[in-house]
Amino acid sequence: NAGVTQTPKFQVLKTGQSMTLQCAQDMNHNSMYWYRQDPGMGLRLIYYSASEGTTDKGEVPNGYNVSRLNKREFSLRLESAAPSQTSVYFCASSEAGVVDTQYFGPGTRLTVL
Amino acid sequence: ELKVEQNPLFLSMQEGKNYTIYCNYSTTSDRLYWYRQDPGKSLESLFVLLSNGAVKQEGRLMASLDTKARLSTLHITAAVHDLSATYFCAVDAYNFNKFYFGSGTKLNVKP
Repeated sequence: NAGVTQTPKFQVLKTGQSMTLQCAQDMNHNSMYWYRQDPGMGLRLIYYSASEGTTDKGEVPNGYNVSRLNKREFSLRLESAAPSQTSVYFCASSEAGVVDTQYFGPGTRLTVL
Repeated sequence: ELKVEQNPLFLSMQEGKNYTIYCNYSTTSDRLYWYRQDPGKSLESLFVLLSNGAVKQEGRLMASLDTKARLSTLHITAAVHDLSATYFCAVDAYNFNKFYFGSGTKLNVKP
Protein backbone atom coordinates (compact mmCIF):
# COMPACT_ATOMS: atom_id res chain seq x y z
CA ASN A 1 0.00 0.00 0.00
CA ALA A 2 1.28 3.44 -0.96
CA GLY A 3 -0.88 5.20 1.66
CA VAL A 4 -1.40 8.86 0.74
CA THR A 5 0.45 10.16 -2.31
CA GLN A 6 0.80 13.75 -3.48
CA THR A 7 2.04 15.30 -6.70
CA PRO A 8 4.07 17.30 -7.36
CA LYS A 9 6.66 17.33 -4.55
CA PHE A 10 7.96 20.78 -5.44
CA GLN A 11 6.55 23.61 -7.53
CA VAL A 12 7.51 27.18 -8.29
CA LEU A 13 4.84 29.50 -9.69
CA LYS A 14 4.71 33.11 -10.71
CA THR A 15 2.06 35.38 -9.23
CA GLY A 16 -1.22 34.92 -11.08
CA GLN A 17 -0.49 31.44 -12.42
CA SER A 18 -2.80 28.56 -11.61
CA MET A 19 -2.10 24.98 -10.65
CA THR A 20 -3.69 21.88 -9.19
CA LEU A 21 -2.21 19.77 -6.42
CA GLN A 22 -3.18 16.12 -6.64
CA CYS A 23 -3.77 13.73 -3.76
CA ALA A 24 -4.73 10.07 -3.77
CA GLN A 25 -5.18 7.45 -1.03
CA ASP A 26 -5.44 3.69 -1.31
CA MET A 27 -6.76 2.94 2.21
CA ASN A 28 -10.45 3.18 1.30
CA HIS A 29 -10.86 6.13 3.65
CA ASN A 30 -14.01 8.22 3.61
CA SER A 31 -12.56 11.57 4.66
CA MET A 32 -9.82 13.61 3.03
CA TYR A 33 -8.22 16.92 3.99
CA TRP A 34 -5.96 19.65 2.68
CA TYR A 35 -3.71 21.59 5.06
CA ARG A 36 -1.06 24.20 4.69
CA GLN A 37 1.92 24.44 7.00
CA ASP A 38 3.69 27.73 7.56
CA PRO A 39 6.63 28.29 9.92
CA GLY A 40 5.51 28.79 13.52
CA MET A 41 1.82 28.29 12.71
CA GLY A 42 1.31 24.57 12.75
CA LEU A 43 -1.10 23.12 10.21
CA ARG A 44 -4.20 24.98 9.11
CA LEU A 45 -7.13 23.27 7.47
CA ILE A 46 -7.97 24.62 4.01
CA TYR A 47 -10.79 22.29 2.90
CA TYR A 48 -12.01 18.87 3.82
CA SER A 49 -14.27 16.23 2.39
CA ALA A 50 -16.13 14.10 4.91
CA SER A 51 -17.26 11.67 2.22
CA GLU A 52 -17.32 11.27 -1.53
CA GLY A 53 -19.40 14.02 -3.08
CA THR A 54 -19.09 16.51 -0.20
CA THR A 55 -16.61 19.27 0.54
CA ASP A 56 -16.49 21.92 3.27
CA LYS A 57 -14.40 24.94 4.07
CA GLY A 58 -11.79 24.83 6.78
CA GLU A 59 -9.95 27.64 8.54
CA VAL A 60 -8.27 29.25 5.51
CA PRO A 61 -10.22 28.49 2.29
CA ASN A 62 -9.81 31.83 0.49
CA GLY A 63 -7.91 31.53 -2.78
CA TYR A 64 -8.43 27.77 -3.07
CA ASN A 65 -10.91 25.36 -4.60
CA VAL A 66 -11.17 21.61 -4.19
CA SER A 67 -12.64 18.65 -6.02
CA ARG A 68 -13.38 15.25 -4.55
CA LEU A 69 -13.07 13.38 -7.82
CA ASN A 70 -13.94 9.97 -6.35
CA LYS A 71 -13.34 8.17 -3.08
CA ARG A 72 -9.59 7.93 -3.73
CA GLU A 73 -8.74 11.40 -5.04
CA PHE A 74 -8.99 14.92 -3.66
CA SER A 75 -7.42 17.82 -5.56
CA LEU A 76 -6.61 21.37 -4.50
CA ARG A 77 -6.61 24.17 -7.05
CA LEU A 78 -5.03 27.59 -6.87
CA GLU A 79 -6.73 29.71 -9.50
CA SER A 80 -4.48 32.77 -9.28
CA ALA A 81 -1.47 32.13 -7.09
CA ALA A 82 -0.24 34.82 -4.69
CA PRO A 83 3.04 35.03 -2.72
CA SER A 84 0.99 34.55 0.49
CA GLN A 85 0.23 31.03 -0.73
CA THR A 86 3.89 30.03 -0.51
CA SER A 87 3.75 27.13 1.91
CA VAL A 88 4.02 23.38 2.34
CA TYR A 89 0.75 21.64 1.51
CA PHE A 90 -0.25 18.36 3.08
CA CYS A 91 -3.06 16.07 2.10
CA ALA A 92 -4.45 13.64 4.67
CA SER A 93 -7.10 10.97 4.85
CA SER A 94 -8.98 9.21 7.63
CA GLU A 95 -11.59 6.51 8.06
CA ALA A 96 -14.02 8.98 9.68
CA GLY A 97 -15.04 6.53 12.37
CA VAL A 98 -14.74 6.97 16.12
CA VAL A 99 -10.93 7.00 16.17
CA ASP A 100 -10.39 9.05 12.99
CA THR A 101 -6.59 9.12 12.94
CA GLN A 102 -5.34 11.06 9.95
CA TYR A 103 -2.68 9.68 7.61
CA PHE A 104 -0.61 12.32 5.86
CA GLY A 105 0.99 12.47 2.45
CA PRO A 106 4.61 13.55 1.95
CA GLY A 107 3.72 17.17 1.20
CA THR A 108 4.12 19.62 -1.68
CA ARG A 109 6.49 22.54 -1.25
CA LEU A 110 5.06 25.47 -3.22
CA THR A 111 6.82 28.77 -3.84
CA VAL A 112 5.00 31.68 -5.46
CA LEU A 113 7.27 34.42 -6.77
CA GLU B 1 -12.42 32.01 17.92
CA LEU B 2 -11.12 28.47 18.37
CA LYS B 3 -7.58 28.23 19.72
CA VAL B 4 -5.20 25.35 20.28
CA GLU B 5 -2.16 26.47 22.22
CA GLN B 6 0.94 24.43 22.86
CA ASN B 7 3.74 25.26 25.21
CA PRO B 8 6.56 25.41 25.20
CA LEU B 9 7.14 26.11 21.50
CA PHE B 10 10.80 25.15 21.78
CA LEU B 11 12.33 22.70 24.20
CA SER B 12 15.98 21.83 24.49
CA MET B 13 16.78 19.12 26.97
CA GLN B 14 19.50 16.72 27.94
CA GLU B 15 19.24 13.00 27.43
CA GLY B 16 17.86 11.24 30.47
CA LYS B 17 15.69 14.13 31.66
CA ASN B 18 11.91 14.26 31.96
CA TYR B 19 9.65 16.96 30.60
CA THR B 20 6.01 17.72 29.74
CA ILE B 21 4.47 19.45 26.73
CA TYR B 22 1.09 21.09 27.27
CA CYS B 23 -1.79 21.50 24.85
CA ASN B 24 -4.71 23.75 25.77
CA TYR B 25 -7.77 24.14 23.57
CA SER B 26 -10.76 26.43 23.68
CA THR B 27 -13.58 24.36 22.16
CA THR B 28 -15.73 21.45 23.21
CA SER B 29 -14.11 18.24 22.07
CA ASP B 30 -13.64 14.70 23.32
CA ARG B 31 -11.05 13.81 20.70
CA LEU B 32 -7.45 14.89 20.83
CA TYR B 33 -4.52 13.68 18.73
CA TRP B 34 -0.77 13.87 19.02
CA TYR B 35 1.48 13.75 15.96
CA ARG B 36 5.20 13.75 15.39
CA GLN B 37 7.01 15.46 12.51
CA ASP B 38 10.69 14.95 11.69
CA PRO B 39 12.47 17.78 9.82
CA GLY B 40 11.42 17.93 6.18
CA LYS B 41 9.04 15.00 6.63
CA SER B 42 5.34 14.41 6.95
CA LEU B 43 3.34 13.87 10.15
CA GLU B 44 2.81 10.52 11.79
CA SER B 45 0.26 9.65 14.42
CA LEU B 46 1.42 9.03 18.00
CA PHE B 47 -1.71 8.93 20.15
CA VAL B 48 -5.47 9.24 19.93
CA LEU B 49 -7.26 10.27 23.15
CA LEU B 50 -11.01 9.80 23.00
CA SER B 51 -12.41 10.51 26.44
CA ASN B 52 -11.88 12.38 29.65
CA GLY B 53 -9.12 10.78 31.68
CA ALA B 54 -7.71 8.83 28.72
CA VAL B 55 -4.05 7.91 29.06
CA LYS B 56 -1.90 6.31 26.37
CA GLN B 57 1.74 5.26 26.57
CA GLU B 58 4.27 4.22 23.96
CA GLY B 59 7.87 3.79 25.00
CA ARG B 60 9.12 6.99 26.65
CA LEU B 61 6.03 9.01 25.70
CA MET B 62 2.79 9.20 27.64
CA ALA B 63 -0.22 11.32 26.71
CA SER B 64 -3.26 12.21 28.79
CA LEU B 65 -6.49 14.13 28.32
CA ASP B 66 -8.59 16.21 30.70
CA THR B 67 -11.63 17.37 28.73
CA LYS B 68 -13.03 19.41 31.61
CA ALA B 69 -9.86 21.47 31.81
CA ARG B 70 -9.49 21.29 28.00
CA LEU B 71 -5.92 20.20 28.49
CA SER B 72 -3.74 17.42 27.15
CA THR B 73 -0.19 16.65 28.18
CA LEU B 74 2.60 14.74 26.46
CA HIS B 75 5.11 13.54 29.02
CA ILE B 76 8.61 12.50 28.03
CA THR B 77 10.48 10.16 30.36
CA ALA B 78 14.27 9.81 30.24
CA ALA B 79 14.58 11.53 26.87
CA VAL B 80 16.82 10.12 24.16
CA HIS B 81 18.19 11.85 21.06
CA ASP B 82 15.85 9.88 18.76
CA LEU B 83 12.89 11.76 20.25
CA SER B 84 14.11 15.03 18.69
CA ALA B 85 11.25 16.19 16.43
CA THR B 86 8.33 18.60 16.37
CA TYR B 87 5.23 17.44 18.23
CA PHE B 88 1.75 18.66 17.38
CA CYS B 89 -1.54 18.27 19.17
CA ALA B 90 -4.77 18.48 17.19
CA VAL B 91 -8.36 18.83 18.33
CA ASP B 92 -11.47 17.65 16.54
CA ALA B 93 -13.63 20.75 17.01
CA TYR B 94 -17.07 19.84 18.36
CA ASN B 95 -16.36 16.21 17.40
CA PHE B 96 -17.20 17.16 13.84
CA ASN B 97 -14.21 15.88 11.82
CA LYS B 98 -12.80 19.39 11.58
CA PHE B 99 -9.30 19.42 12.98
CA TYR B 100 -7.36 22.31 14.48
CA PHE B 101 -3.65 21.98 15.18
CA GLY B 102 -1.43 23.63 17.73
CA SER B 103 1.68 25.50 16.57
CA GLY B 104 3.91 22.59 17.50
CA THR B 105 6.67 22.03 20.06
CA LYS B 106 10.13 21.65 18.60
CA LEU B 107 12.03 19.25 20.84
CA ASN B 108 15.81 18.98 20.73
CA VAL B 109 17.35 16.29 22.89
CA LYS B 110 21.07 16.79 23.27
CA PRO B 111 23.19 13.63 23.53
